[in-house]
Amino acid sequence: NAGVTQTPKFQVLKTGQSMTLQCAQDMNHEYMSWYRQDPGMGLRLIHYSVGAGITDQGEVPNGYNVSRSTTEDFPLRLLSAAPSQTSVYFCASSYSIPVADTRAQFFGPGTRLTVL
Amino acid sequence: SQKIEQNSEALNIQEGKTATLTCNYTNYSPAYLQWYRQDPGRGPVFLLLIRENEKEKRKERLKVTFDTTLKQSLFHITASQPADSATYLCALQTGTASKLTFGTGTRLQVTL
Repeated sequence: NAGVTQTPKFQVLKTGQSMTLQCAQDMNHEYMSWYRQDPGMGLRLIHYSVGAGITDQGEVPNGYNVSRSTTEDFPLRLLSAAPSQTSVYFCASSYSIPVADTRAQFFGPGTRLTVL
Repeated sequence: SQKIEQNSEALNIQEGKTATLTCNYTNYSPAYLQWYRQDPGRGPVFLLLIRENEKEKRKERLKVTFDTTLKQSLFHITASQPADSATYLCALQTGTASKLTFGTGTRLQVTL
């Protein structure tokens, strides 16, 4: 199992550019989520999905779009990048209905994004 | 408003001692509390989960306590080693939802 994979690892954008951060998992998890991590702010939830075709907003959704067409993939789209979106982005997945109380979330390695 | 607080200052301890990290929360009624470890440049890794009706949970050298009256969890690493140096995050989960809310984390440095 590859677990949770994210691409790219690093990205530099100019203000106003758009891009998609990719996330995929091979554990058949229903729940997937995107976080951003900034110094002193901890991990903040951007968007999440409890299954294919279902997405919802987290704590800091503005400027980001998501869709979930398959169980495996959960891409995050930046519509018009701003310097305030400079951050490290993590994708995570878990079971929606815990199996044997397995509520652990599995994280990808992260994407470090810089917006100039 | 809802708040999860962890010591923002790094915790420095000597090898072999017990490290104790604190997670305090306000305006939450979590059903579950989780602890994660994060190494520099990597994603968080799950360590332990404790339910609201459990007082204590152990796994090898790790121990977690959960006091819903004090709204606090303590995370202990006994016989600490330099390899335990990392940032430790607590996260709250309410009811049946899968959403997690994270604290800011505490950096632990274990020296020889």
